[in-house]
Amino acid sequence: GDSVTQTEGLVTLTEGLPVMLNCTYQSTYSPFLFWYVQHLNEAPKLLLKSFTDNKRPEHQGFHATLHKSSSSFHLQKSSAQLSDSALYYCALSLQGTGSKLSFGKGAKLTVSP
Amino acid sequence: AQTIHQWPVAEIKAVGSPLSLGCTIKGKSSPNLYWYWQATGGTLQQLFYSITVGQVESVVQLNLSASRPKDDQFILSTEKLLLSHSGFYLCAWSPGGGYEQYFGPGTRLTVL
Repeated sequence: GDSVTQTEGLVTLTEGLPVMLNCTYQSTYSPFLFWYVQHLNEAPKLLLKSFTDNKRPEHQGFHATLHKSSSSFHLQKSSAQLSDSALYYCALSLQGTGSKLSFGKGAKLTVSP
Repeated sequence: AQTIHQWPVAEIKAVGSPLSLGCTIKGKSSPNLYWYWQATGGTLQQLFYSITVGQVESVVQLNLSASRPKDDQFILSTEKLLLSHSGFYLCAWSPGGGYEQYFGPGTRLTVL
């Protein structure tokens, strides 16, 4: 079935260092890929969505590029901030299904001074 | 702009008691609606989705049921709560298949 595999568990960084969270997917068709961010005691919010035309989406300093050749959509940021501390989920959705958004298991990013 | 509301904000319920959680979306006609559950420290698990009024598909039931009585309303319920039902319940909407989903603020449920 269609699924995503992402960096899981705890990721600890020092402020100012680059952020890289990996996400790879398995899908028979051409999926949309998303990154969601969930701060403590809040609902998940959409951070980034893949485009079909190789554009690189960016938001709040984060960016990700869909690479169909390697089935990847890694999340990157050049310099981590304390406010980036949160849970990050990679998710996959198939065009036209109207149904399932498959989430990865999530990575808890903690940025320290 | 679309807004999504969930009620109640939080609930503390006894094992074996009934439950009804609600979700309303304003500013969008005929949205796709979804229910998710998140255990404390766990990932997001999709429970149900609905493309139109009166139609609900189950992804994972967990002894819960869902209904869509109106275009803008999605209800999650059970007649008998289990301890394992504790967690964070999230309603989400999307404009159509294959598109991003937007989450409501969630309901935190504690079953004792």
